[in-house]
Amino acid sequence: GESVGLHLPTLSVQEGDNSIINCAYSNSASDYFIWYKQESGKGPQFIIDIRSNMDKRQGQRVTVLLNKTVKHLSLQIAATQPGDSAVYFCAEALLSNQFYFGTGTSLTVIP
Amino acid sequence: EPEVTQTPSHQVTQMGQEVILRCVPISNHLYFYWYRQILGQKVEFLVSFYNNEISEKSEIFDDQFSVERPDGSNFTLKIRSTKLEDSAMYFCASSDEAASTRPQHFGDGTRLSIL
Repeated sequence: GESVGLHLPTLSVQEGDNSIINCAYSNSASDYFIWYKQESGKGPQFIIDIRSNMDKRQGQRVTVLLNKTVKHLSLQIAATQPGDSAVYFCAEALLSNQFYFGTGTSLTVIP
Repeated sequence: EPEVTQTPSHQVTQMGQEVILRCVPISNHLYFYWYRQILGQKVEFLVSFYNNEISEKSEIFDDQFSVERPDGSNFTLKIRSTKLEDSAMYFCASSDEAASTRPQHFGDGTRLSIL
């Protein structure tokens, strides 16, 4: 079955440093991936997505890398700011109408 | 920017009672979803809804659960006889295309507390 998991449950970084959040997925047939940010008391907020025919995609201060060989996904946040503190989830879609979410990584930015 | 809105933000219900959670998806979206998140755990898929019918559902979505789109704007989740383990955050989401092609946009959730 499908599983999406995160390597680290918590991550602390200094303000201004870059953050890297990792995610592993088990189903090689997954074809669409999304990173969500969830702040306390709010719903998941879309950050960036990537399709399986891509290796890298960049947004504003964020980059998602997809390594299909090892079924690994990462989110890089440049110049991390206090407002980036949140729980980050990766989610995968498998030619279906649902997403499978990972457990989440809690990012804390230290001023 | 259009948003998914959910009401109420917090619902407290006695065990065994019925509860209806309400959602107003983004107006031009065609796909609707419910997810649940037990405190401290990951977001879990419950059901997807398209063209006025359920398109997929998870094992969590048993006979106690139902969804409805009673009019052109609302999308509801009903739990017929609530159990203690139904306590969770319930998120509604919508998208303009199928989940495998476009991101889903989430509301801020309803916190359901079963006593």
